[in-house]
Amino acid sequence: DIQVTQSPSSLSASVGDRVTITCRASPSIKNYLNWYQQKPGEAPKLLIYAASNLQSGVPSRFSGSGFGTDFTLTISSLQSEDFATYYCQQTSSAPMTFGGGTKVEIK
Amino acid sequence: QVTLRESGPALVKPTQTLTLTCSFSGFSLSTSGMSVNWIRQPPGKALEWLARIDWDNDKYYSTSLRTRLTISKDTSKNQVVLTMTNMDPVDTATYYCARLHYDINSANRWLDPWGQGSLVTVSS
Repeated sequence: DIQVTQSPSSLSASVGDRVTITCRASPSIKNYLNWYQQKPGEAPKLLIYAASNLQSGVPSRFSGSGFGTDFTLTISSLQSEDFATYYCQQTSSAPMTFGGGTKVEIK
Repeated sequence: QVTLRESGPALVKPTQTLTLTCSFSGFSLSTSGMSVNWIRQPPGKALEWLARIDWDNDKYYSTSLRTRLTISKDTSKNQVVLTMTNMDPVDTATYYCARLHYDINSANRWLDPWGQGSLVTVSS
């Protein structure tokens, strides 16, 4: 199985901060990497697909980058509605594993 | 508009078999490239991918759970069914189904949309 390691597991940030979350895959998965946002009590929601493509309706402050084994989700200016848990997922091959999640909390 | 909805028992006893149904609309599982996946999330924990069934009836399972899982589809009813045998309290979780979107140009796939989830508690 492809291993997906996400870091950090949690972080505290303030509104307006730039936030970066990383995901590392082993072995290489080209750009078969997606990012999801999950708020408490809700189902996950797609943010970024194919490593760097913004899903329709998602604010442009979210961006994704990376190829191969190292990927990044960036929130350029954190807003109050962005406090949530974020997951990466590889879809290079089944089983399509998720990262362990990053909980973004208010500082 | 694509929607998915999970249904099944809220409570099962240890050793019982869980059967969950994903009812969907807005797409057909007989269309080339379509796929439905199951994912679960124990309370306060991370997402765990469980299984996938494709339009051509190809099936894929979690490595650790493959001996306990069976996924099937009823194309005429727009439903996908997941069964999990020998349930244990550690299987207590919210179970989600989601469509796996497939981009034929890039071969990329992503889960969108998701159902609202179905909480299953395993307890005697």
